[in-house]
Amino acid sequence: DAKTTQPPSMDCAEGRAANLPCNHSTISGNEYVYWYRQIHSQGPQYIIHGLKNNETNEMASLIITEDRKSSTLILPHATLRDTAVYYCIVRVARPSYLYGGATNKLIFGTGTLLAVQP
Amino acid sequence: DGGITQSPKYLFRKEGQNVTLSCEQNLNHDAMYWYRQDPGQGLRLIYYSQIVNDFQKGDIAEGYSVSREKKESFPLTVTSAQKNPTAFYLCASSIQGAKNQPQHFGDGTRLSIL
Repeated sequence: DAKTTQPPSMDCAEGRAANLPCNHSTISGNEYVYWYRQIHSQGPQYIIHGLKNNETNEMASLIITEDRKSSTLILPHATLRDTAVYYCIVRVARPSYLYGGATNKLIFGTGTLLAVQP
Repeated sequence: DGGITQSPKYLFRKEGQNVTLSCEQNLNHDAMYWYRQDPGQGLRLIYYSQIVNDFQKGDIAEGYSVSREKKESFPLTVTSAQKNPTAFYLCASSIQGAKNQPQHFGDGTRLSIL
C-alpha cells in the first residue's frame, strides 16, 4: 500500500473550514484514499473515501488532485468536537474472499492532530 | 442504532491471568477485526475473521486467542502468554467481499496490568 505524508498538526478557528492535506505520490491506479479520525480515547471513525473523483458526504468533502498524488479533506464548518487526529490511508481494496481478510487491514500513520480553537 | 459495541471500556489484568474483551456488532457485517494500538502508534492487526467459525492470525497474534461462533460476536482473549498486554484494543467490522467498503470501529477497550 502507498505511503502517505501528513503534517503533524494544524489549527483551525471554530466555524471556519478545516483543510487537511495528504500526500500520496506513490499511489497506484487501483488504490483508494480513505480518511478516518480518532478522538482521544475513542475508536477511529470513518469519514470518507474516494478513488479519483471528489466526494462529499454529511461529514466532509474529499478533493483528490487529477494526478491522484495528493488529496485534501475539508471540514466545511469546524467545531470544537472536530478536534482529533486525522488519518489519511491509501490502500488497495481487494475482495477479501479472494485475497484473505488480512489484506484489508488498515495501516494508520501518525496522522494530523487538528486543534479547533474557539 | 447500528454499530459496534466493545466492553468493558477499561479492564485490569493481574499477572498470569487471562482476560476476554467483548466485541458485538449489529451491522450484519461478515468480516471482523481486532487491532491493538499503543501510545503514539498506529494500529496493528491481531486477528481477523471473514465468516462465522473461521478466523486467521494477523501480524501480532502471539498471546491472543479469538472465537467466532456467531456472526455478531468476535471476542478476544488476552492470555498470560502475552507479556506486554497493556494497550488500547479496537474491534472493527466491514462488509465481506466488497472492494472498497470501509471498516467501522468500536470505542475500544483499554487494558492495563495491575
